[in-house]
Amino acid sequence: GAGVSQSPSNKVTEKGKDVELRCDPISGHTALYWYRQRLGQGLEFLIYFQGNSAPDKSGLPSDRFSAERTGESVSTLTIQRTQQEDSAVYLCASSLPRDRGPTNQPQHFGDGTRLSIL
Amino acid sequence: AQKITQTQPGMFVQEKEAVTLDCTYDTSDQSYGLFWYKQPSSGEMIFLIYQGSYDEQNATEGRYSLNFQKARKSANLVISASQLGDSAMYFCAMREGNFGNEKLTFGTGTRLTIIP
Repeated sequence: GAGVSQSPSNKVTEKGKDVELRCDPISGHTALYWYRQRLGQGLEFLIYFQGNSAPDKSGLPSDRFSAERTGESVSTLTIQRTQQEDSAVYLCASSLPRDRGPTNQPQHFGDGTRLSIL
Repeated sequence: AQKITQTQPGMFVQEKEAVTLDCTYDTSDQSYGLFWYKQPSSGEMIFLIYQGSYDEQNATEGRYSLNFQKARKSANLVISASQLGDSAMYFCAMREGNFGNEKLTFGTGTRLTIIP
């Protein structure tokens, strides 16, 4: 079946430009997550969506970062006025919510968007 | 303090040998979950195994098992009979608390290289 799909796979842009990254979760997965992975490091949580609940934005590093989700489908992560430190791989994941399945619901990840800020 | 600590930046293991990847965690929650993910050079994150804090038995999934020592707050991944395809980055991650707190906190990873 189709997994989590992210686009673009690579994005190169100039410092100061805005970028928009897209994530299509697995069908039926109501939970959606964004993470950032800097070179050689682990994943940093950015934001979490669950159905119609208010998103958990506790991981967004600054007000230049925002994300939206339309219902239980596509999500977009927007970075405004990009800086060189924003260069990273941005990973999206989706899962079934824990209250609708076993507690060991793993998050299923897309292949990521590699963002390079010149 | 780091919530997830992986102390082995890199490991080299002979093919067919078993390997243990270390992970210690820090939480004050009673309810939490521990995950291991594999990230090959292609970049995708592949879920391997899960251990819940209330699970009394160590989790196993094929060649993967999790050595869960709750009192020591460690959740080491054991890969038996290693294969060349096991060469990858391995990340330990934790989900804390009850429903509503769903984010995963990741360690810095261990790069495993299997030598033929």
